Amino acid sequence: AQKITQTQPGMFVQEKEAVTLDCTYDTSDPSYGLFWYKQPSSGEMIFLIYQGSYDQQNATEGRYSLNFQKARKSANLVISASQLGDSAMYFCAMRPPSNTGKLIFGQGTTLQVKP
Amino acid sequence: ETGVTQTPRHLVMGMTNKKSLKCEQHLGHNAMYWYKQSAKKPLELMFVYNFKEQTENNSVPSRFSPECPNSSHLFLHLHTLQPEDSALYLCASSQEEAGDRKETQYFGPGTRLLVL
Repeated sequence: AQKITQTQPGMFVQEKEAVTLDCTYDTSDPSYGLFWYKQPSSGEMIFLIYQGSYDQQNATEGRYSLNFQKARKSANLVISASQLGDSAMYFCAMRPPSNTGKLIFGQGTTLQVKP
Repeated sequence: ETGVTQTPRHLVMGMTNKKSLKCEQHLGHNAMYWYKQSAKKPLELMFVYNFKEQTENNSVPSRFSPECPNSSHLFLHLHTLQPEDSALYLCASSQEEAGDRKETQYFGPGTRLLVL
């Protein structure tokens, strides 16, 4: 069965430091996509970064980078130089090969950035 | 308006009421989605519409009834809900291409629903 696991319910990080949020996934399909979303307390899910299963390089978007280890089936999100506005819930999601656009989400990790 | 909008943002309803949630996307996408987010649970996909055709119904009770009149609008009609249906309902859209895995879903701000 396809599944996303985020084992860290909550994380703290000091402002300006880097933090890694863990995500592991389970699929037997060779083709899939991995996404990270940020959800502030307002509720909106904000897309952060995407990694394709065939991508040779780790994805990066500004302060966000994805540590993709295909053999370990992990896709950890690294946030560099944390800011107070980074405090939010973070979700990892996987898109298996299908034509319905279905995304499978993990349970989420709450990140709090301390001043 | 830009992105994906949802109305209302907050809704309180009794179990005998009938209400509708509205979602509109201004991104020119061809697929729209309804998700349910309950406390302490992962997001659950409810419905998928691709080119206005429902392509997935994730075993959702019939008291939730989706409607997609065109590729920009999506409704979720609610009737005789239960208190356990209280949740954040999120709408999303994406541009689906055949065989592509990387099309990103963009979400609206959600409707916080409380069923009394």
